[in-house]
Amino acid sequence: ETGVTQSPTHLIKTRGQQVTLRCSSQSGHNTVSWYQQALGQGPQFIFQYYREEENGRGNFPPRFSGLQFPNYSSELNVNALELDDSALYLCASSFSGGAYEQYFGPGTRLTVT
Amino acid sequence: GESVGLHLPTLSVQEGDNSIINCAYSNSASDYFIWYKQESGKGPQFIIDIRSNMDKRQGQRVTVLLNKTVKHLSLQIAATQPGDSAVYFCAENRRGADGLTFGKGTHLIIQP
Repeated sequence: ETGVTQSPTHLIKTRGQQVTLRCSSQSGHNTVSWYQQALGQGPQFIFQYYREEENGRGNFPPRFSGLQFPNYSSELNVNALELDDSALYLCASSFSGGAYEQYFGPGTRLTVT
Repeated sequence: GESVGLHLPTLSVQEGDNSIINCAYSNSASDYFIWYKQESGKGPQFIIDIRSNMDKRQGQRVTVLLNKTVKHLSLQIAATQPGDSAVYFCAENRRGADGLTFGKGTHLIIQP
């Protein structure tokens, strides 16, 4: 069984730029959720994708957007990067939507300068 | 406000002792809870979950207790080992929501 993978591992961007992060779900899972984890804090829910559609969203602005592909992999896009966007971005996969049994990937560390 | 939080930011225990990590939640609409372990530089690792129709659930060396009356959740780790050192998060799912709400975490330190 393949676990959740994310790429890239680390990324450095400049304020105002755009970034795309990628996530491959665990085999057998069709749902991907994205979280932002600031240093020393717990993860915060950004949004969830199920069957290629956004299935729920947390308190994040529209410049955070995403996609899910037919193979259930997903992308997180962030436009007009701000310094406060510096964080660990985590994706979690699960089965059939909702919040049950979410399994996390290793994360992408984004630094905005 | 409504939140999930932890009572202690750091917990230090002797190797071989049992550890108890506590969590308070305030939203009575929460019906699903998960404990995660996060080691430095890694993503959260699923430990155990419990639904609101249960008050206890056991796994390998871990037990989760849920007290809905006082909105309290705890994680018990038996015979704590050095590899248990990590930050532990409780997370809740509020009925009808699709994401998890996490607390700030408890750092478990194992003393030799």
